[in-house]
Amino acid sequence: SAVISQKPSRDICQRGTSLTIQCQVDSQVTMMFWYRQQPGQSLTLIATANQGSEATYESGFVIDKFPISRPNLTFSTLTVSNMSPEDSSIYLCSVEDKGAGETQYFGPGTRLLVL
Amino acid sequence: GQQLNQSPQSMFIQEGEDVSMNCTSSSIFNTWLWYKQDPGEGPVLLIALYKAGELTSNGRLTAQFGITRKDSFLNISASIPSDVGIYFCAGQRGSWGKLQFGAGTQVVVTP
Repeated sequence: SAVISQKPSRDICQRGTSLTIQCQVDSQVTMMFWYRQQPGQSLTLIATANQGSEATYESGFVIDKFPISRPNLTFSTLTVSNMSPEDSSIYLCSVEDKGAGETQYFGPGTRLLVL
Repeated sequence: GQQLNQSPQSMFIQEGEDVSMNCTSSSIFNTWLWYKQDPGEGPVLLIALYKAGELTSNGRLTAQFGITRKDSFLNISASIPSDVGIYFCAGQRGSWGKLQFGAGTQVVVTP
């Protein structure tokens, strides 16, 4: 399976600021996704990061709040914009190599606390 | 919104006991996945199921894909302290892409 790293691993931010989270994979993958895990909750998909085009957002998530980039097949970023305490969560990227018989694997997550 | 019902929500078991948890859905999924999440970590894939009726083992773990494609269960035999964690089921409608997660089952193993 692919090895996935995320930066930063954790951060404490002030409300109104923005944070960009990076996801790096050690091999080229077809699909990259961003999930949010609120405290004590399950995982919810934010968006699919599409290489070379705009991300596909799930209901309840918008590009202005969570802009995503995917410049190549091994890297993606998620920005949490104009943060409020409600954005305090774990943000996880996952990857899947479509057609390679593999399934979806997750990075270690970025723990965000907004004060 | 979340469409997978995972139960039980939590389990307190003694070391050596077997553990069983399941997920049900009102919708059909083509793939069922089971993950374990330790504190401070991302979910780790335990077992992936691709065919209705499929029964797959991974060491002490056994999972089955229900015949109706609307449910799956995970069994852990002879639990050990490192089995502590939160176990999530996830369903995938296609052969790739978006995962829908269950609420998780917290497993606590006491000596």
